[in-house]
Amino acid sequence: GAVVSQHPSWVICKSGTSVKIECRSLDFQATTMFWYRQFPKQSLMLMATSNEGSKATYEQGVEKDKFLINHASLTLSTLTVTSAHPEDSSFYICSAKAPGTGDTGELFFGEGSRLTVL
Amino acid sequence: GQNIDQPTEMTATEGAIVQINCTYQTSGFNGLFWYQQHAGEAPTFLSYNVLDGLEEKGRFSSFLSRSKGYSYLLLKELQMKDSASYLCAVTDSNYQLIWGAGTKLIIKP
Repeated sequence: GAVVSQHPSWVICKSGTSVKIECRSLDFQATTMFWYRQFPKQSLMLMATSNEGSKATYEQGVEKDKFLINHASLTLSTLTVTSAHPEDSSFYICSAKAPGTGDTGELFFGEGSRLTVL
Repeated sequence: GQNIDQPTEMTATEGAIVQINCTYQTSGFNGLFWYQQHAGEAPTFLSYNVLDGLEEKGRFSSFLSRSKGYSYLLLKELQMKDSASYLCAVTDSNYQLIWGAGTKLIIKP
């Protein structure tokens, strides 16, 4: 199946700093990628839909100036958490649809990035 | 509003069978997914149902009834490695994926 790779897997940073998380589709081109956040014992929460070559679409309640998304190529989307605070500590996961499957295709997920803000 | 309900936690015995239910109320329906998520890891795809009926894939089967807004995931011959959370997700009329909170399955020897 399609492979999505996410980096870094773990990151610890100080409050006020910025952290960048990369999401790559390794063996296919992903025009659309999705960024999720998951707090302990809770379900996935869609943060934004990342579209190659255009601005990301953010879900209601997600601050676009705080969570910067860049999808500069068909194989790479990045999420930058700016001025991170302890409440931003969470598990961030990216995903992309399997190529050629349209709107109903299964999602392939990256490994996830666990962010801890001290 | 859109809502997906599934039990928070279930316990089963190794070698046994367990059924995890999922009910949904969404604005339209374009398919239902089941994903498995081990602790600290990303979800992995298990099944996709868009038509009524049972889809069997090895030890795992998934059932859908669109008229009842109901699905279940059936796991047979349970193994310890099946201990994980199982997420039900529905694609609505806008092809947005709505996620359930997940069911934590605990397998005991």
